[in-house]
Amino acid sequence: KAGVTQTPRYLIKTRGQQVTLSCSPISGHRSVSWYQQTPGQGLQFLFEYFSETQRNKGNFPGRFSGRQFSNSRSEMNVSTLELGDSALYLCASSWGHQSSGNTIYFGEGSWLTVV
Amino acid sequence: AQTVTQSQPEMSVQEAETVTLSCTYDTSESNYYLFWYKQPPSRQMILVIRQEAYKQQNATENRFSVNFQKAAKSFSLKISDSQLGDTAMYFCAFIGAGNNRKLIWGLGTSLAVNP
Repeated sequence: KAGVTQTPRYLIKTRGQQVTLSCSPISGHRSVSWYQQTPGQGLQFLFEYFSETQRNKGNFPGRFSGRQFSNSRSEMNVSTLELGDSALYLCASSWGHQSSGNTIYFGEGSWLTVV
Repeated sequence: AQTVTQSQPEMSVQEAETVTLSCTYDTSESNYYLFWYKQPPSRQMILVIRQEAYKQQNATENRFSVNFQKAAKSFSLKISDSQLGDTAMYFCAFIGAGNNRKLIWGLGTSLAVNP
């Protein structure tokens, strides 16, 4: 069974640009969540999608958005990139809602560097 | 606000020895879930162990076990017979049971297993 797949793995963008990251969950998983990981802040929750609906959202500005498709694949978009957006973006999937205590499985992450 | 605290930013242990990583959390809820995740240098987050708060029995997975003290809001991880491959960042996470909750993460403990 394939794990959570994130693309691209590494990317470099310029301030002001936008970026789209993609996540394919484990087959059968309907929940996809996104996290930003930085050395100083640890893991920060961005949002969770379940059956194409955003179920929960973290404390990030509106420049961060996401969506989920009918096949459970998810994308997150960051517009008007800032230097502080440089981070590892982790996607995780689970069979049901995170709040039901379902184990979440992570992808390898997308490293975003903003210059 | 719910918080998770890992008071040991860095730890080291000799191969084959036992080490305990601490985690405390703050919540007013009675039903919730606790997790330990491991992030090796590859940055792939891997589930180590999961505990349901309403289960008094401590969870165990091979060399990994937890000491769950609900009244003290403590959830420590014990690694027995430490191996070089256990070198990683270890994150403790909490999620309340209920609609639209999100995982709350500690800042992690960097564990080095020395030969």
